[in-house]
Amino acid sequence: DQQVKQNSPSLSVQEGRISILNCDYTNSMFDYFLWYKKYPAEGPTFLISISSIKDKNEDGRFTVFLNKSAKHLSLHIVPSQPGDSAVYFCAASRGNQGGKLIFGQGTELSVKP
Amino acid sequence: EPEVTQTPSHQVTQMGQEVILRCVPISNHLYFYWYRQILGQKVEFLVSFYNNEISEKSEIFDDQFSVERPDGSNFTLKIRSTKLEDSAMYFCASSEVSRSSGYTFGSGTRLTVV
Repeated sequence: DQQVKQNSPSLSVQEGRISILNCDYTNSMFDYFLWYKKYPAEGPTFLISISSIKDKNEDGRFTVFLNKSAKHLSLHIVPSQPGDSAVYFCAASRGNQGGKLIFGQGTELSVKP
Repeated sequence: EPEVTQTPSHQVTQMGQEVILRCVPISNHLYFYWYRQILGQKVEFLVSFYNNEISEKSEIFDDQFSVERPDGSNFTLKIRSTKLEDSAMYFCASSEVSRSSGYTFGSGTRLTVV
């Protein structure tokens, strides 16, 4: 079941530069998308979300872009900081409130000083 | 900041034994979930719970699994007869009515079946 895919298992970025994490999905019924950050031995931490009626949502250094026609979303982190180093998961849900999340495989971001 | 609390953080059990994983969701949240992550794999949905009943479950959530909200605060996942392949991190999560605030996850219980 590969409904949500993150094709890059890892990404390395210099501190201060932009990090772009990508995610693709196949199910056109998904209407809500979320990004989570995860450190080892901890649970996923919610970062930012976007509804399918929007194409962009911004929160501080984090911006999520949604391209519905391409079934693609991306997370931009500007400027990247060493503390951003973690595994980033995109997730999708559909329909009702309380719907299950379908996660991608994750991308490990390393921000180098 | 409110958080989802899971206990124990690590549980080792013998194959065939029953285990109960415990969670205390955020108090004003209405939806509760269990997810798991087998080492090196993606986070997978197991079950969602709302209004004192299961609202959705995955094909992983077979008859060996059950969930319960025995009182107003705890939310438990029981595995009746553990198998080696049940070894994973199990995450509890909860959410309120609006999806815009995301789902809050606990730190997880690492279950090791030997």
